[in-house]
Amino acid sequence: EVQLLESGGSLVQPGGSLRLSCVVSGFTFSSFAMNWVRQAPGKGLEWVSVISGSGNNAYYSDSVNGRFTISSDKFKNTVYLQMNSLTVEDTAIYYCAKGTWGAGVSQHFDHWGQGTLVTVSS
Amino acid sequence: IVLTQSPATLSVSPGERATLSCRASQSVNSYLAWYQQRPGQAPRLLIYDASKRATGVPARFSGSGSGTDFTLTISSLEPEDFAVYYCQQRSNWVTFGGGTKVDIK
Repeated sequence: EVQLLESGGSLVQPGGSLRLSCVVSGFTFSSFAMNWVRQAPGKGLEWVSVISGSGNNAYYSDSVNGRFTISSDKFKNTVYLQMNSLTVEDTAIYYCAKGTWGAGVSQHFDHWGQGTLVTVSS
Repeated sequence: IVLTQSPATLSVSPGERATLSCRASQSVNSYLAWYQQRPGQAPRLLIYDASKRATGVPARFSGSGSGTDFTLTISSLEPEDFAVYYCQQRSNWVTFGGGTKVDIK
């Protein structure tokens, strides 16, 4: 059974930093890209970032490029999202989502974690 | 690529048919997926590549379309189908539509 479990969300002040983690199981970690997708309170879904199964390639949405960094640890079956220079617009539930392919931005998302809430507020 | 979903809200009685629309600002070929999100839950993949049902998805869900116009059809609504539905394209980066809420009439 595929499982994704996020953690690390909390309340942080504007300008602050936070690191999210997503531990996965039930599939071959290096064979599939992993993504972060966020959802602001009461709003729709927004793709944030993807990292290839190999961990060698990463892509970001324009809204977070230069502030967020995605990484992965194949030995721990874990994906991370380092978030810096946070603003109130980054307030959202952050979901970890397994991609349908091994690499590239072109993905659908066939399994999702339960999400972790990031609140940016003073 | 901008995805526009309509209607924003669809009121349907249990057992009735629901038809949801997703229109892309430019062609996405068949690289379109549909997700269901129940309140307080993560999204769930229903349909990928326009018409392929994901594992475990009931046959009452079907997807059609290509290019810029897509449809998700729920043939006979069950109580658990009342939720928000999102479309998503993977033709050019990734974008989601704004969602259609299916509620009980």
